[in-house]
Amino acid sequence: AQRVTQPEKLLSVFKGAPVELKCNYSYSGSPELFWYVQYSRQRLQLLLRHISRESIKGFTADLNKGETSFHLKKPFAQEEDSAMYYCALSDSGYSTLTFGKGTMLLVSP
Amino acid sequence: NAGVTQTPKFRVLKTGQSMTLLCAQDMNHEYMYWYRQDPGMGLRLIHYSVGEGTTAKGEVPDGYNVSRLKKQNFLLGLESAAPSQTSVYFCASSVGYGYTFGSGTRLTVV
Repeated sequence: AQRVTQPEKLLSVFKGAPVELKCNYSYSGSPELFWYVQYSRQRLQLLLRHISRESIKGFTADLNKGETSFHLKKPFAQEEDSAMYYCALSDSGYSTLTFGKGTMLLVSP
Repeated sequence: NAGVTQTPKFRVLKTGQSMTLLCAQDMNHEYMYWYRQDPGMGLRLIHYSVGEGTTAKGEVPDGYNVSRLKKQNFLLGLESAAPSQTSVYFCASSVGYGYTFGSGTRLTVV
């Protein structure tokens, strides 16, 4: 069975500090990994997918198959980054997404 | 372009009552999903559909039924609501990896 683990429920940092939101996964095949973000009172939206290897809003994430991790990083946090972040996994057919429990990021001034 | 629309946005039910949540998408997506979001639990898949007339169970299907009679609509039914079904329900549709989520339905069962 596939599983996504986000070990931190809450991550609190000051503006300008580096941020790393951890995500580990368990999957027997070749997974597709994603990060979704939910800002306060808004719907979930896709932030990153591993295969595109792009940087969105200064965030990057690298898939490490050896450590089965897909951590989300940003060198300098901004207050507007405060949100709930979900790591998610899909099989290669994209039929369903399995989400982690989420990490709330709070960026203080 | 509305994307994914969920109705209603809020609802309070008494234990044992039934209701239907409606999800509509205007993007001609084949895949549609119902998730529930609970504090500390993340999003869990209830049911999903890979096309008109098809449905499949997700991780937490008990107590819910779904129907996909039209490609653009995906209905989630609660036959006899229980307090454990108090949650925020999200519908999504997708083509490939691109999930589009609705704004959610906040359901309280008292």
